[in-house]
Formats: sequence, structure tokens, C-alpha cells
Amino acid sequence: EAQVTQNPRYLITVTGKKLTVTCSQNMNHEYMSWYRQDPGLGLRQIYYSMNVEATDKGDVPEGYKVSRKEKRNFPLILESPSPNQTSLYFCASSLSLGGGETQYFGPGTRLLVL
Amino acid sequence: GQNIDQPTEMTATEGAIVQINCTYQTSGFNGLFWYQQHAGEAPTFLSYNVLDGLEEKGRFSSFLSRSKGYSYLLLKELQMKDSASYLCAVRDDRGGSYIPTFGRGTSLIVHP
Repeated sequence: EAQVTQNPRYLITVTGKKLTVTCSQNMNHEYMSWYRQDPGLGLRQIYYSMNVEATDKGDVPEGYKVSRKEKRNFPLILESPSPNQTSLYFCASSLSLGGGETQYFGPGTRLLVL
Repeated sequence: GQNIDQPTEMTATEGAIVQINCTYQTSGFNGLFWYQQHAGEAPTFLSYNVLDGLEEKGRFSSFLSRSKGYSYLLLKELQMKDSASYLCAVRDDRGGSYIPTFGRGTSLIVHP
């Protein structure tokens, strides 16, 4: 089944404790991205990747890191989480960014930073 | 950059028709998407418009006017399961990267 998976789905952590949220897709998609979603603010892009070893900042990259060592995986790293990073996070992928290629979203990771 | 505007919330009656508007300001327009998102779930793709006009897909239709920076999503024969948030996303050429930007979403409540 074609899908985007994220782990963990729910996470409670404390300020400053490094964490990684994994994202994997099995559709051989070139493009992957991370979003955070907060009430009243909608989906905001954190980082994106056009291909292996090609990543770039989105609109709200501060406090986050990513890597793209393999085509299928795009982990999101919070080196020192803070309470303002409490949010719902979505990973997404698409075959390309051209034409009507839509993004497929993972199920989301709900993060609470105390 | 982009400025995407949608109503925050709308209500409608089961069986009725509702139109959700989206206006945007952007340079290098390269397509507009509509997504549906149920509470706590991932967004799912509904429609894509890149040329002016109406795209129909079952009960859902989407319209685009590039000259007016305007789109709408039309939902017919509303069902209770259509209660969800509807996200407008505009893609433009940000230095060649064609990254889509999302509006804040419109929460649609369908009541009996």
C-alpha cells in the first residue's frame, strides 16, 4: 500500500531533550517536506527536500534540522525542543512539484514539549 | 511571498450546496490545490486548478480565476461526513522551487 508513515504518532517530552520524528514513504517520491499545524495558523512549512542530499528551509525552520540521506526517509530533528514547538507535525511527499502532482501526507505526530 | 485568504468558519445544512472561497496574491502562480482535513487527521487531496475555469469531480467542483486571484470549492448535496476543514494551497515559483503555501483553512460544519 502506497503511504507515508511517521513515528511516533504521539510524543510528550521536556524542554531541551533532543528528539527525532521519522518519516518514510514507499512511493519513490522525489520531493518531501515537513509542516507544523497550529490552531489559527494553518499548515506552515518547516523544511523541504527536492531529492537526496538536497534540503532547504521553508517558512518556519528555526529550531529544526532535517536530513535526506536516502530517498525514502526524511527525519525531523529537534536538537533542543522548547514549549513553542508543541504542535501537530505532518510529513508529506510527492512525485514532483510539477503539474497536478499532489502531496501525500503522513498521519501526523502530535508533540507536547513541557 | 503569498497572501492566501479563506473564511475561518462556515455552516450549512445537510443536502444543501456550499461555496468556500479562497483569494490569493502571488507572483509566478503555478497552480492551486484544495485539500480536505478531518479533525486530527492528515489533509487529503480534493482538486487541482492551473487554468481558468471549473473542474468538476463528483459532488465537488473547484473554480479558478487567475486574473482575479480567486478560487472557490463548491460542495453539492452536503453530507454530515463533509464536516471538515478545507485548505486552499497555492503553488508559485519561489526561485524555481514551486513550493505550495497553505491558507489557514475553512472549518465547515454540516448540520442536519
